[in-house]
Amino acid sequence: DAKTTQPTSMDCAEGRAANLPCNHSTISGNEYVYWYRQIHSQGPQYIIHGLKNNETNEMASLIITEDRKSSTLILPHATLRDTAVYYCIVRVDPGGGADGLTFGKGTHLIIQP
Amino acid sequence: DAGVIQSPRHEVTEMGQEVTLRCKPISGHNSLFWYRQTMMRGLELLIYFNNNVPIDDSGMPEDRFSAKMPNASFSTLKIQPSEPRDSAVYFCASSLRVGSYGYTFGSGTRLTVV
Repeated sequence: DAKTTQPTSMDCAEGRAANLPCNHSTISGNEYVYWYRQIHSQGPQYIIHGLKNNETNEMASLIITEDRKSSTLILPHATLRDTAVYYCIVRVDPGGGADGLTFGKGTHLIIQP
Repeated sequence: DAGVIQSPRHEVTEMGQEVTLRCKPISGHNSLFWYRQTMMRGLELLIYFNNNVPIDDSGMPEDRFSAKMPNASFSTLKIQPSEPRDSAVYFCASSLRVGSYGYTFGSGTRLTVV
């Protein structure tokens, strides 16, 4: 699986959009970009994933650059409850089965009141 | 949907004792994962099962650790004998099909070995 690079920590004001970057310059054509987050004392939570098109769901938007070497997770209106560690993971979708996710250190996002 | 259920939530045990952690995956999910989280090492994949069969246990730290999945609705992670360095939060996760769906994690078991 390709390696990812994320900032260690970020601050964002409550109500503003939080933009979390992730670099994955060695990504392969069949690798997806996944985002998870972990709120303190809870298990990781799936947010969103994508291959090459931008994706949006009820939690966030995922913007992947055209060359797929980087991506940005966008929380459109951050709240205090969005304070968490956010993990960007790149991996192949094997399809039909499953393979363990490898978590890096992630970005600690702190939402300021 | 009750999500992935882990028990106990907290476990304190003495060094040398056997510890058994339990996990009930989401009904219908065919993959199950055990992770361990510590401040020093972050989230580590210990072992995972597909259709109740262990696929990769290369993350299991040593022979003191063992995991079983006797049926689609139950899995255990056992540590025997336990040591203080095993103190961590242990998470179980399940998935229906990777790539199309994300993993769902349980709330974890916080293990303290004294």
